[in-house]
Amino acid sequence: AAGVIQSPRHLIKEKRETATLKCYPIPRHDTVYWYQQGPGQDPQFLISFYEKMQSDKGSIPDRFSAQQFSDYHSELNMSSLELGDSALYFCASSTLAGALEQYFGPGTRLTVT
Amino acid sequence: GQNIDQPTEMTATEGAIVQINCTYQTSGFNGLFWYQQHAGEAPTFLSYNVLDGLEEKGRFSSFLSRSKGYSYLLLKELQMKDSASYLCAVKGISNFGNEKLTFGTGTRLTIIP
Repeated sequence: AAGVIQSPRHLIKEKRETATLKCYPIPRHDTVYWYQQGPGQDPQFLISFYEKMQSDKGSIPDRFSAQQFSDYHSELNMSSLELGDSALYFCASSTLAGALEQYFGPGTRLTVT
Repeated sequence: GQNIDQPTEMTATEGAIVQINCTYQTSGFNGLFWYQQHAGEAPTFLSYNVLDGLEEKGRFSSFLSRSKGYSYLLLKELQMKDSASYLCAVKGISNFGNEKLTFGTGTRLTIIP
């Protein structure tokens, strides 16, 4: 079965650079969520989109923005990167028409040096 | 807001049974999820409870008491591959049912021979 796809899987950036993470949800899933997981931490919700509209917002810094496109893929844009942004970034998707669980992608490991 | 507590670490013996507890205090509740996460990998869905009682799924069972704000995950016939972090996550209430997940800190389970 198709799963959530994230790219890139690994990314190394320097401080003050920008990064774009991409997420391709499971086909026919209408909701995309972004989570950030620091080392030894639990996943922290950043933002979500339902049918291409922002549906909820968590602890996402103002330096970050995200959107969901017409094909339902989503991109997380991160600017003025800081060392503390180094983390695993997970995208998850779900559908109101099916089961309620969120399916997580493999994550993007971002390292800021 | 949401407050979710789990033990930080647990150790159990291969072939035995282990119970991981989770207590929560939430402003809105629309279900409790258990996820398994191996280091550096994506959380994998294990179980979902929205009504009181026990849900059984092979070697894994999950219990919920909404009045007590309490859940547990029961793992039977433990295998070495069950060594992982187990995340308790609460789903809040939204108009559409696609509310974000708030995760507990996770319980790192180590299985010993």
